Amino acid sequence: AQKITQTQPGMFVQEKEAVTLDCTYDTSDQSYGLFWYKQPSSGEMIFLIYQGSYDEQNATEGRYSLNFQKARKSANLVISASQLGDSAMYFCAMREGVRTSYGKLTFGQGTILTVHP
Amino acid sequence: DSGVTQTPKHLITATGQRVTLRCSPRSGDLSVYWYQQSLDQGLQFLIQYYNGEERAKGNILERFSAQQFPDLHSELNLSSLELGDSALYFCASSGQGADQPQHFGDGTRLSIL
Repeated sequence: AQKITQTQPGMFVQEKEAVTLDCTYDTSDQSYGLFWYKQPSSGEMIFLIYQGSYDEQNATEGRYSLNFQKARKSANLVISASQLGDSAMYFCAMREGVRTSYGKLTFGQGTILTVHP
Repeated sequence: DSGVTQTPKHLITATGQRVTLRCSPRSGDLSVYWYQQSLDQGLQFLIQYYNGEERAKGNILERFSAQQFPDLHSELNLSSLELGDSALYFCASSGQGADQPQHFGDGTRLSIL
């Protein structure tokens, strides 16, 4: 069963505008973590932001923020003031459980973001 | 720079061959993970090692094996290669704590001819 769903194969945004990338997840665990990664065309995977299931506040990292709605099982990434360098593939990922020795990530299919000048 | 080093960056070989991909984790990280990224399967978890011991296995084929050495570097061995094994193989490492992100290397792009 697919546990991470990213319903937007591609998104377009104008430079300097904000954009929201959607992510919904499915888990029966009470404790889990949600991550967003960026993959530019060069191929590397860059960690952006983390949200824990017990965190009461939405995570923020610079221009990135995570709109975490636990009851709806969604963890949308918001990028403010988009820049041309934000054009990339974005992946939402989940890690279930609290045991640090069992920490595999399950990834969504990704969303390609294109920023127009 | 994530601090995770993968070699080689590119690998071109033929069907039936065997290759070894190498990964050096970030300093201090005990956990190493291997992932495969392909167009049809997306990003798939293969295997995890923690301080030299195998801890979790994902969709890893029997033709594939891995190990983590005492110095914590890891190797992924792929044998009897098939055309479908062509993919980008990532190594990632993480520190202690459930909130610690996995930091990825730049990947090894494997092409089977």
